[in-house]
Amino acid sequence: EADIYQTPRYLVIGTGKKITLECSQTMGHDKMYWYQQDPGMELHLIHYSYGVNSTEKGDLSSESTVSRIRTEHFPLTLESARPSHTSQYLCASSGLGEKLFFGSGTQLSVL
Amino acid sequence: DQQVKQNSPSLSVQEGRISILNCDYTNSMFDYFLWYKKYPAEGPTFLISISSIKDKNEDGRFTVFLNKSAKHLSLHIVPSQPGDSAVYFCAARGYSGSARQLTFGSGTQLTVLP
Repeated sequence: EADIYQTPRYLVIGTGKKITLECSQTMGHDKMYWYQQDPGMELHLIHYSYGVNSTEKGDLSSESTVSRIRTEHFPLTLESARPSHTSQYLCASSGLGEKLFFGSGTQLSVL
Repeated sequence: DQQVKQNSPSLSVQEGRISILNCDYTNSMFDYFLWYKKYPAEGPTFLISISSIKDKNEDGRFTVFLNKSAKHLSLHIVPSQPGDSAVYFCAARGYSGSARQLTFGSGTQLTVLP
């Protein structure tokens, strides 16, 4: 059973606010990822990290930023939320294999 | 340009029958394929995978078939159960620079009717 946790599960926030989505895993995985997904659409990779102090942008351009100061923690920050940021954000991690373990996701709504 | 395509947004099947979910890809460099299942308001969970050197992999009620020449894979669920109702994503492993990454399809909503 995967141990990867995301908080909050749901977030409704006003335009212009700064938000941080939390993601933690207890499996000791080096690789961690953030995906964005809208209903009926594919998962888009927005950030990934292959280890501490290593972060890269994914295929989908995003105004968010990430940090990886500890192996187990990979938070995502939006400095100024906009309605176009409304989406589901999924955090995942993987070990040596290709299998990704996903958290439960954060459903973000920006009003 | 979508490299992994799931052309059927939805599929309805009677309980006990076979469910067949399809996925097409365009990148011949993809070398590993996975299926994920997703319930509403939850993250995807891994279901089954297949390497490009194989053409079939089976795990209980789930079987994945790979046809490399057609760049097509399919997931068979037999027998289908109401608890299988979920969105199914196929994913393919490729390379972006030196980094291995998964590319996902847009998903197929499977509904198993009791």
